[in-house]
Amino acid sequence: NAGVTQTPKFQVLKTGQSMTLQCAQDMNHNSMYWYRQDPGMGLRLIYYSASEGTTDKGEVPNGYNVSRLNKREFSLRLESAAPSQTSVYFCASRDQGDYEQYFGPGTRLTVT
Amino acid sequence: AQKITQTQPGMFVQEKEAVTLDCTYDTSDQSYGLFWYKQPSSGEMIFLIYQGSYDEQNATEGRYSLNFQKARKSANLVISASQLGDSAMYFCAMRWYSSASKIIFGSGTRLSIRP
Repeated sequence: NAGVTQTPKFQVLKTGQSMTLQCAQDMNHNSMYWYRQDPGMGLRLIYYSASEGTTDKGEVPNGYNVSRLNKREFSLRLESAAPSQTSVYFCASRDQGDYEQYFGPGTRLTVT
Repeated sequence: AQKITQTQPGMFVQEKEAVTLDCTYDTSDQSYGLFWYKQPSSGEMIFLIYQGSYDEQNATEGRYSLNFQKARKSANLVISASQLGDSAMYFCAMRWYSSASKIIFGSGTRLSIRP
């Protein structure tokens, strides 16, 4: 089992560029999440998906879109990147009957 | 609105001492769960412990225990006999059964263990 995988690991964008962060899990989990973690800060919830076909806004959704492509995959898109979106992005998944979230290794994004 | 607050940005503790990391929360829901995660300098997120709002006993997992005081809306993490490897960021998190999948985190406490 690979668990939760994220691509890419690192990315540098110029202001205004777009990109999609990919996340996949092989644990057959229903719920998936995207968080961002700014330096020295906690994780802030961007979007989450309780099940395939559903997505909901979290605490900081502005500037982002998501797609729950299937049960395995949950992507995060930045349509027009801004320096304020420089952060580490974590994807996580959770089984419906479980407490624990399983996190990916993170994507370090820098917007110049 | 639901909110998690960790008021200690950083703490220093002597090795082998016990340490308490504070977490308070705000919710009008009656059914919720509280978590603690550890994030070492490597960046991975490690699940430590969980407490449900209806659990009568405080959760324990090895050297970790959760001091749950429902009336005060606090869920402090207690680490007994601290070790050098406990140096890390610690995050408190919360989910609500009315929105069972939504989970939010506090701002974290950086714990440093002195030898």
